[in-house]
Amino acid sequence: EAGVTQSPTHLIKTRGQQATLRCSPISGHTSVYWYQQALGLGLQFLLWYDEGEERNRGNFPPRFSGRQFPNYSSELNVNALELEDSALYLCASSLAGMSNQPQHFGDGTRLSIL
Amino acid sequence: RKEVEQDPGPFNVPEGATVAFNCTYSNSASQSFFWYRQDCRKEPKLLMSVYSSGNEDGRFTAQLNRASQYISLLIRDSKLSDSATYLCVVGWGSARQLTFGSGTQLTVLP
Repeated sequence: EAGVTQSPTHLIKTRGQQATLRCSPISGHTSVYWYQQALGLGLQFLLWYDEGEERNRGNFPPRFSGRQFPNYSSELNVNALELEDSALYLCASSLAGMSNQPQHFGDGTRLSIL
Repeated sequence: RKEVEQDPGPFNVPEGATVAFNCTYSNSASQSFFWYRQDCRKEPKLLMSVYSSGNEDGRFTAQLNRASQYISLLIRDSKLSDSATYLCVVGWGSARQLTFGSGTQLTVLP
């Protein structure tokens, strides 16, 4: 069974540009989560999508947005990129239900802002 | 105060040693608890869920103390391949948001 897949693996942008990151969850998982992990820091929760709806978002500015498609895959969009947006962006998926469902992570997209 | 706090480490132990990691959480309404491991520049991988009664998976034992809001992970007979950062993870309620500790770095030495 395929795990969570993310694309691209690496993405290089310049300040002010826009970035789109993609994620496909494990088959049967309806919830998708996005996290940011800056170098040397812990995972920071960005967004949670379930059944096509945004269910919760972390403490990030509105230029971080996303969506979930009918096939449960998801996109994360970051507008007006800033240098501090350079980080590993991780997508995770889980089964629906209560919070005792563990999340399974993809390999991540490493975003570098020049 | 951080929502999830862990021993910062690093822990450097010889092969075969027993090592224990501790974690405290601040939200008394927390409902789910996990340990993940993260290798350098890789994604976190689920190591084990933590249940109220405590649970064991091979060389790994996890304990939960809800009264003290404390979670532990014990690794027996450490292997070189256990070298990684161990993340304590706590979740709660319908928000289903997980909060990750900053991790404890373990290096098992030959």
